Amino acid sequence: DGGITQSPKYLFRKEGQNVTLSCEQNLNHDAMYWYRQDPGQGLRLIYYSQIVNDFQKGDIAEGYSVSREKKESFPLTVTSAQKNPTAFYLCASSMQIQDYEQYFGPGTRLTVT
Amino acid sequence: DQQVKQNSPSLSVQEGRISILNCDYTNSMFDYFLWYKKYPAEGPTFLISISSIKDKNEDGRFTVFLNKSAKHLSLHIVPSQPGDSAVYFCAARYGNKLVFGAGTILRVKS
Repeated sequence: DGGITQSPKYLFRKEGQNVTLSCEQNLNHDAMYWYRQDPGQGLRLIYYSQIVNDFQKGDIAEGYSVSREKKESFPLTVTSAQKNPTAFYLCASSMQIQDYEQYFGPGTRLTVT
Repeated sequence: DQQVKQNSPSLSVQEGRISILNCDYTNSMFDYFLWYKKYPAEGPTFLISISSIKDKNEDGRFTVFLNKSAKHLSLHIVPSQPGDSAVYFCAARYGNKLVFGAGTILRVKS
């Protein structure tokens, strides 16, 4: 049963702490993405990766970092430099970077107080 | 600067009738337009797409229309079913990136 898993579903952190969101896929997709969703706004691209050991900044990369050491995994770290980290985070993948059909995980809701 | 806009936050339709969801865009360099559907507690799922060189694409009950001169696309669902109740995101592709609208909540009443 292929798909994308994100854990945990809900995450709470104190301000000033770094936090890492997990994203794993078993679809054998080359490309992976991280998006952020805020109320009343569309999904905004944080980072994306075309292939293992390669990643690019999206539109709102400041305060975030990623790694892509394995094809299946694309963790996102929300650092203390991110000014408004409370949001809903979605991970996605596609077979290749040029494919427009992306497969999404269920998301992680991060609350920072 | 929102390049893709969905101006209706919500839409309510009677079962069996047509649902029309609208989307406007500003960037004429978008080459593909897509609709994604999202149920609560799940990630968005791809629904239907249209190339910028087409004006219509149909898949079962779902049809997407593209009006390039007006920079407008719409998703028609006929007939609407209660299971269609979800959030619908319009998206457009530019290079390797998708740009999403804010979504429209569709409620289909039985």
